[in-house]
Amino acid sequence: RKEVEQDPGPFNVPEGATVAFNCTYSNSASQSFFWYRQDCRKEPKLLMSVYSSGNEDGRFTAQLNRASQYISLLIRDSKLSDSATYLCVGTKAAGNKLTFGGGTRVLVKP
Amino acid sequence: EPEVTQTPSHQVTQMGQEVILRCVPISNHLYFYWYRQILGQKVEFLVSFYNNEISEKSEIFDDQFSVERPDGSNFTLKIRSTKLEDSAMYFCASTQGGAGQPQHFGDGTRLSIL
Repeated sequence: RKEVEQDPGPFNVPEGATVAFNCTYSNSASQSFFWYRQDCRKEPKLLMSVYSSGNEDGRFTAQLNRASQYISLLIRDSKLSDSATYLCVGTKAAGNKLTFGGGTRVLVKP
Repeated sequence: EPEVTQTPSHQVTQMGQEVILRCVPISNHLYFYWYRQILGQKVEFLVSFYNNEISEKSEIFDDQFSVERPDGSNFTLKIRSTKLEDSAMYFCASTQGGAGQPQHFGDGTRLSIL
């Protein structure tokens, strides 16, 4: 089983709509999680860290469920500029390597 | 905002040749990494570097690969004898290393092996 798994999509989202997707992880040793965003052929850019209590950053909400070993990302009021691949990323400890999921592609359409 | 910088942005090399990819991490960061992404595939970890030595490496990082921090600012990845399958985007990343601190990525070097 892959360490971090994501639905590759694409999720076709009307502009202004809400979209949510999950990521599952198999290694319970993973302690910290992040959502990164990647545009085509560009570097991963940090979108937000993910906390067990759930956290929100503007239109983005992330949630971590350690019991079920999944992480979620919700995007409200989708913008055309939200079109990208969203990468679910885990790490075991501070300073350790990142383990990436394959990414979920989101396409926001007018 | 400080950023990780990488050079060159695109490197074209003949198979069997040596290539050096360069990175300047964020100045107060302590942990440095190289990742690669083959076209259409996920980002894969290659190596991490801390306190002037390799702290972890993946199976991909075989004897053909080496890393160096030759001075206080640069962090390089060398591939000694390139293969066709080394063609990929190579990303450098750095972090301060504190709990929950994210890694910041450079904009990558596209390596094309002919």
